[in-house]
Amino acid sequence: EPEVTQTPSHQVTQMGQEVILRCVPISNHLYFYWYRQILGQKVEFLVSFYNNEISEKSEIFDDQFSVERPDGSNFTLKIRSTKLEDSAMYFCASTPWEVEAGELFFGEGSRLTVL
Amino acid sequence: SQQGEEDPQALSIQEGENATMNCSYKTSINNLQWYRQNSGRGLVHLILIRSNEREKHSGRLRVTLDTSKKSSSLLITASRAADTASYFCATDGAKDGNKLVFGAGTILRVKS
Repeated sequence: EPEVTQTPSHQVTQMGQEVILRCVPISNHLYFYWYRQILGQKVEFLVSFYNNEISEKSEIFDDQFSVERPDGSNFTLKIRSTKLEDSAMYFCASTPWEVEAGELFFGEGSRLTVL
Repeated sequence: SQQGEEDPQALSIQEGENATMNCSYKTSINNLQWYRQNSGRGLVHLILIRSNEREKHSGRLRVTLDTSKKSSSLLITASRAADTASYFCATDGAKDGNKLVFGAGTILRVKS
């Protein structure tokens, strides 16, 4: 069964460093998302991406964050200069339809630890 | 906007018992979805109920939706130890754009 894959599963970085989290969505999907979950807290929307551009972004998704779909298969989240509070689990999701039509398909997540 | 707040925050039951989790939301929705998350893992979709539906079943899962009260419940019948996980409701708000907004979740522990 097709699945969303994310790498790395865990990354430890120093504050101020850049990190790139990678996602390979399911191949025929059109809508892509990043969510994050700080340990023990709710799953928060970061950004949605459709037709090679950002559809919507939350207040969390400030200038330190960027997303890219460089080659038609990967979907990346870059954090330019990490802060301690960026430590969280980051989930990529994709879907072939708008959310009013059906569910999101999530990857297993990338755990980011900022020291 | 705050959407999809679940209660209880945590629930502990014996295997074989039923588990009921509730979700409340604030604005009008297109649909409401329930997801499950095993510890440290990704979110897995369980069931979707549309705003014009009142009840839906899938195996041991039963979801109800009351749009007048802006609330939903997830019932897991005959629970098993393997049902131990966090359960989240997520809403597709009519004014939330094309995204899901998740609640804080209910941690369910099923003791064998």
